[in-house]
Amino acid sequence: DIVMTQTPLSSRVTLGQPASISCRSSQSLVHTDGNTYLSWFHQRPGQPPRLLIYKISYRFSGVPDRFSGSGAGTDFTLRISSVEAEDVGVYYCMQGSQWETFGQGTKLEIK
Amino acid sequence: QVQLVQTGAEVKNPGASVKVSCKGSGYNFTGYLIHWVRQAPGQGLEWMGWIKPKSGEPHYAQNLQGRVTMTRDTSISTAYMELSRLTSDDSAVYYCTREDLFLGQGAFDIWGQGTMVTVSS
Repeated sequence: DIVMTQTPLSSRVTLGQPASISCRSSQSLVHTDGNTYLSWFHQRPGQPPRLLIYKISYRFSGVPDRFSGSGAGTDFTLRISSVEAEDVGVYYCMQGSQWETFGQGTKLEIK
Repeated sequence: QVQLVQTGAEVKNPGASVKVSCKGSGYNFTGYLIHWVRQAPGQGLEWMGWIKPKSGEPHYAQNLQGRVTMTRDTSISTAYMELSRLTSDDSAVYYCTREDLFLGQGAFDIWGQGTMVTVSS
């Protein structure tokens, strides 16, 4: 099974400042079809997760453009260009190239 | 609107089974895979498996093989997840979610509200 490792596990960021979360997979996520299926989700307390990014860098409908994804192979990053209060919660990466596996989650708080 | 609506909370004894339902509406139910994901209290997300509503073909996470069964009833646009031989480790919120393969694998774009399952004697 592919293991997904996120860093940091917790982050405190000042409003208006950038934030980034890293996600590393135990093996390459490049699928036999040439695509890399790495998604990012955001979960607020008491709510289901919400899709932010799919296929490394494609922003899902309605997701603010302050969110961006990048990476390739085994190393991926989610960036928030300017953190807003509504961005608090837990962020998960997930690979969909070989069945599905989630990262442990990264808790984002406001400083 | 497009949504997945799940059944309400369940309390089960150890050793029992639980069956959670997930009703899709606002879209072609047979056109999208349904995945199940669970989250123990204070913990992260765990993928459990998927079902293809059109064919009924399921695929389960290896650690749940033999205990989980995913089925569907296309006449009422509903998917089901049944977990047997419950232990306290199975206490969690169970989510169903739709995968939009047009966007790509792992694009879980719609989520149910979650069903809390508590296993306790």
